[in-house]
Amino acid sequence: EPEVTQTPSHQVTQMGQEVILRCVPISNHLYFYWYRQILGQKVEFLVSFYNNEISEKSEIFDDQFSVERPDGSNFTLKIRSTKLEDSAMYFCASKDTEWGYNEQFFGPGTRLTVL
Amino acid sequence: QKEVEQDPGPLSVPEGAIVSLNCTYSNSAFQYFMWYRQYSRKGPELLMYTYSSGNKEDGRFTAQVDKSSKYISLFIRDSQPSDSATYLCAMTGASKIIFGSGTRLSIRP
Repeated sequence: EPEVTQTPSHQVTQMGQEVILRCVPISNHLYFYWYRQILGQKVEFLVSFYNNEISEKSEIFDDQFSVERPDGSNFTLKIRSTKLEDSAMYFCASKDTEWGYNEQFFGPGTRLTVL
Repeated sequence: QKEVEQDPGPLSVPEGAIVSLNCTYSNSAFQYFMWYRQYSRKGPELLMYTYSSGNKEDGRFTAQVDKSSKYISLFIRDSQPSDSATYLCAMTGASKIIFGSGTRLSIRP
């Protein structure tokens, strides 16, 4: 069964460093998302991406964040200068179409720890 | 007012009990209402979704949506220890998903 994969599973970084979180969405999917979940809190939408453009972003997704689909398979989230409060689980999700309800399939997440 | 409100629990019930989980929401634009299950440090896993108001049943699980009250519920019949997890309500217009904070459920053998 196809699934969304994410690497690394755990990333530890120093405050102020840049990190890139990687996701491989399901191969025929066209819509891609990043969510984050701070420990003990709710899953929060960060950004949606379609046709090589950001289609929607939340207030959390400020200038420190960027997303890219560098090739036909990867979808990345970059945090330019990490802050302590960026420590969270980051989930990638993908789905195949916007019409009607289509399930967003979530990856297993990357746990980011900023020291 | 929060977009989605969910009692975080924890909720502990004996095996075989009927479990009721609930959420309220404020945004009338939501059309699809979902329940996810999440285990510690794992991604959300879709249990079931409902479009607009009504009931939907899948095995031991029943989802209910009342758009007039902006209230959604998940019922679990004959609960099993394997049902122990955090349950997230969620809703969407068609794109981004808005999640509740999750209810931690524990089923005691």
